[in-house]
Amino acid sequence: ELKVEQNPLFLSMQEGKNYTIYCNYSTTSDRLYWYRQDPGKSLESLFVLLSNGAVKQEGRLMASLDTKARLSTLHITAAVHDLSATYFCAVDMDTGNQFYFGTGTSLTVIP
Amino acid sequence: DVKVTQSSRYLVKRTGEKVFLECVQDMDHENMFWYRQDPGLGLRLIYFSYDVKMKEKGDIPEGYSVSREKKERFSLILESASTNQTSMYLCASSLVGDGEQFFGPGTRLTVL
Repeated sequence: ELKVEQNPLFLSMQEGKNYTIYCNYSTTSDRLYWYRQDPGKSLESLFVLLSNGAVKQEGRLMASLDTKARLSTLHITAAVHDLSATYFCAVDMDTGNQFYFGTGTSLTVIP
Repeated sequence: DVKVTQSSRYLVKRTGEKVFLECVQDMDHENMFWYRQDPGLGLRLIYFSYDVKMKEKGDIPEGYSVSREKKERFSLILESASTNQTSMYLCASSLVGDGEQFFGPGTRLTVL
């Protein structure tokens, strides 16, 4: 069974600081997705990473994928309060596009 | 833009009632999924469907059934609701081979 682990589970950071969220998974896959969820809301797609070495950037967020290490990172640069949310990674086993989700990282950016 | 809609944002039902949660997508996606989300447990897959009239069990199918009579619609059925089915239910859809799942707004179900 594929396991997807995120760390940290909770992250409190000051505005202006940088930080990285890690997503490790237990078996081979070259498709990884990052989602954002605001409190009480649904999941919003952030990044789609489809190959080893893929890097995507949007604003203050940058995601990367290392399929050999089975690791994806979501890097936050100069955090702002609007980035406060829960972030999920999801791995696609390519067996019908069934996703395996990480446990989520709850990010709070403090002014 | 892909649009996934769910029939209710909030629903309150009584123990033993039969509950229908409806999900509709407008982008001709083959795959549709039902998840439940609970604090500390993340998202767990209940059922998914690759095609009309086709269904596959996910990780936690017990107490649920599904129906997919039309490509755009995927229904989740709680045959006899119980309090432990109080949760946020999320529907998603995707294209075969594309992978990226698009989520509906969610239904917060409370079973009293």
